[in-house]
Amino acid sequence: NAGVMQNPRHLVRRRGQEARLRCSPMKGHSHVYWYRQLPEEGLKFMVYLQKENIIDESGMPKERFSAEFPKEGPSILRIQQVVRGDSAAYFCASSPGETNEKLFFGSGTQLSVL
Amino acid sequence: GQQLNQSPQSMFIQEGEDVSMNCTSSSIFNTWLWYKQEPGEGPVLLIALYKAGELTSNGRLTAQFGITRKDSFLNISASIPSDVGIYFCAGQLTRGSTLGRLYFGRGTQLTVWP
Repeated sequence: NAGVMQNPRHLVRRRGQEARLRCSPMKGHSHVYWYRQLPEEGLKFMVYLQKENIIDESGMPKERFSAEFPKEGPSILRIQQVVRGDSAAYFCASSPGETNEKLFFGSGTQLSVL
Repeated sequence: GQQLNQSPQSMFIQEGEDVSMNCTSSSIFNTWLWYKQEPGEGPVLLIALYKAGELTSNGRLTAQFGITRKDSFLNISASIPSDVGIYFCAGQLTRGSTLGRLYFGRGTQLTVWP
């Protein structure tokens, strides 16, 4: 998937634990998007970040979820005190910025909450 | 949020047949995109459309941006087994802006029998 790296591929957490999902965008890309996909559904936008800035977080739940894209290092999606309903595939996408619509997706992190 | 209605939900066809799927929206989009997702992977961009009425091909795939800007169509000619996957339409309300998030349909599951 064009070089967007996500890890881990699979993450199992018990209810109440924290989940940290990482995304390294394609080289040269400074725009990162996080999407969530439930079984048999399309992807739902969560948050859009540029380096050190959250541009649009309107798709992200107000509580327990946070995201960052520091100057150095990968973008992190953090889910605190996970619940069963957080189980889903979380995809990161990046773009170079000039053509935001051409998003390149990573392979996703499958989060399972027991 | 924006609703994209994608149909059909699933298709079972024989190798060599042509495939058509479409996507409609209650809103006018400036950009339409078609993605393919295979099991355990992120979506891969197939075709991007930028102008009403635009017809674009990528190999055996052809997509059109509807004149009303509220719909798009994807055709696959002479299907082969490796066409199997879930096809998603996605639309963007603004192009090249910092708020150009993608809205996804629920997908069309394509199965091709040899």
